[in-house]
Amino acid sequence: EEQLVESGGGLIQPGGSLRLSCAASGFAVSGNYMTWVRQAPGKGLEWLSVIYSGGGTSYADSVKGRFTISRDNFQNTVHLQMNSLRVEDTALYYCARDLDGFDIWGQGTMVTVSS
Amino acid sequence: DIQMTQSPSSLSASVGDRVTITCRASQGITNYLAWYQQKPGKVPRLLIYAASTLQSGVPSRFSGSGSGTDFTLTISSLQPEDVATYYCQKYNSAPYTFGQGTKLEIK
Repeated sequence: EEQLVESGGGLIQPGGSLRLSCAASGFAVSGNYMTWVRQAPGKGLEWLSVIYSGGGTSYADSVKGRFTISRDNFQNTVHLQMNSLRVEDTALYYCARDLDGFDIWGQGTMVTVSS
Repeated sequence: DIQMTQSPSSLSASVGDRVTITCRASQGITNYLAWYQQKPGKVPRLLIYAASTLQSGVPSRFSGSGSGTDFTLTISSLQPEDVATYYCQKYNSAPYTFGQGTKLEIK
């Protein structure tokens, strides 16, 4: 079964850093576009970042320069390094496979930025 | 960047009604348009991709149409389990912007 499982969320102070992980099973992250999406409490979906099968990356303006997407082909995992976190980054963070739309989603990991 | 605008933001309809949600892109995106359903407290689910292709396992009462800048999601006969928020999304190139969502309720 193709599946994604996120981890790494938690409570962090403004200005802090956090690294999210997304472990894939049933398919190889290296052969797919993998993406991160977040949803603030009570709000809509916000696309954040993608890592292409060739290794290139792209980011939303809201996180460019603060967040970095990467992947570990051996561990079959995608990461999102989040630096300089702000209160407005508080959200449920999902990873998803991008295959003609986002066809597989993880359950999400909650990030709360608060002092 | 291309903006995605959905209408309406919310709607209420009766079981059995035909429901239509529209999505407009600020620039042409050919058919690189996906629709998602998110039920309360649940993970988003891909319903339609390439503007009109039904994802495997999605009931046939859902359909999508459109090309270029104007797109439509239609539910031919609304069911109680269709209560959810629906999002469109462009995926021709990054940023893969979502619409603001349409909250669908049963009257």
